[in-house]
Amino acid sequence: DAGVTQSPTHLIKTRGQQVTLRCSPKSGHDTVSWYQQALGQGPQFIFQYYEEEERQRGNFPDRFSGHQFPNYSSELNVNALLLGDSALYLCASRFEDRAVNGYTFGSGTRLTVV
Amino acid sequence: AQSVTQPDIHITVSEGASLELRCNYSYGATPYLFWYVQSPGQGLQLLLKYFSGDTLVQGIKGFEAEFKRSQSSFNLRKPSVHWSDAAEYFCAVGASGGYNKLIFGAGTRLAVHP
Repeated sequence: DAGVTQSPTHLIKTRGQQVTLRCSPKSGHDTVSWYQQALGQGPQFIFQYYEEEERQRGNFPDRFSGHQFPNYSSELNVNALLLGDSALYLCASRFEDRAVNGYTFGSGTRLTVV
Repeated sequence: AQSVTQPDIHITVSEGASLELRCNYSYGATPYLFWYVQSPGQGLQLLLKYFSGDTLVQGIKGFEAEFKRSQSSFNLRKPSVHWSDAAEYFCAVGASGGYNKLIFGAGTRLAVHP
């Protein structure tokens, strides 16, 4: 049973560009959250998607946006990239009706902005 | 506001020695509490979780944690550390209701000496 799959694994972008990161949740999971983990820090919550809607958002600017598709997969888009956006981006999924089971995390996408 | 404090940035133990990683949280209601482990370049793996009931919870890889409401703590323990336990450990708190976004601590990096 595949866990959470993220693509690409690594990405290098230039300041000012736009990037799209992708996430396929664990089979049976319908809720997807995105986290940003800067070097040497804990993950920071970006937003959460359920039923194709963003229903909770962390303290991130509007340059960060997302989408959830009918098959529950999700995308994270970042516009006008800044050097400070360099980080590991983690996708986490869970089954909404089994919130007590917690989240399953993917291995992340390492984004480097130069 | 919710917050998690992991007072120890780095800990070094000898293989076979016991381990305790500290975690203190701030949350107004009964929290959901988690410990995750992250190996270099990898995503997060759930070690254990606490939602309710017995305050001593057992996890994978021989880890356990004890929830102490009076001290707002959820410390992680292992009686005998193996070299493969070297990694970064994150404590996280989630809301017991609502959408359960996770708030992470800054992490504790564990080094194991042979």
